[in-house]
Amino acid sequence: AQKITQTQPGMFVQEKEAVTLDCTYDTSDPSYGLFWYKQPSSGEMIFLIYQGSYDQQNATEGRYSLNFQKARKSANLVISASQLGDSAMYFCAMRDFNTNAGKSTFGDGTTLTVKP
Amino acid sequence: ETGVTQTPRHLVMGMTNKKSLKCEQHLGHNAMYWYKQSAKKPLELMFVYNFKEQTENNSVPSRFSPECPNSSHLFLHLHTLQPEDSALYLCASSQSNRRDQPQHFGDGTRLSIL
Repeated sequence: AQKITQTQPGMFVQEKEAVTLDCTYDTSDPSYGLFWYKQPSSGEMIFLIYQGSYDQQNATEGRYSLNFQKARKSANLVISASQLGDSAMYFCAMRDFNTNAGKSTFGDGTTLTVKP
Repeated sequence: ETGVTQTPRHLVMGMTNKKSLKCEQHLGHNAMYWYKQSAKKPLELMFVYNFKEQTENNSVPSRFSPECPNSSHLFLHLHTLQPEDSALYLCASSQSNRRDQPQHFGDGTRLSIL
């Protein structure tokens, strides 16, 4: 069974600084995809970044980058130059090849607060 | 305008009522999903539809009944709900159900059961 662990219930960061949100995962499947989503207080979930298990490079999307360490089964999200609008809940999620098609597993989430 | 639209945004109902949640996606996707998000719990997948066919029912009680008339629309019919069913219900879609496809979510329906 696949499992996602986010050990930081809450994080604080000063505006314009970088922050790392932790995510570790567990799966027996060598082929899987990892995702990060952002959920502001308004409720909608916003897709941020994707990393495939066979991707050679760490994924980057603007100010978001994924620190993918396959041997450690970790996929930490790095947000550079934090902005006040980055304050939200962040979820790490995974899909692997062996689970029923379409099924994603989500972590418990990390609440990020950006301080001015 | 969001690519995935959910209505209503808020719903308050009694335990004996029957209501439906609606989800519409304008992204041309083929897979659609219902999730339940309760306070202090991780996001729970409820149902998955791929090309209008249900591919996943994650042991959801029968008081929740999904309907997918076409790839753009997804409904969740509710009847005789319990107080513990109060939660945020999120609809999502993806191009396909492949593992590399991100999901696009709606704003959710916040459901309160009296």
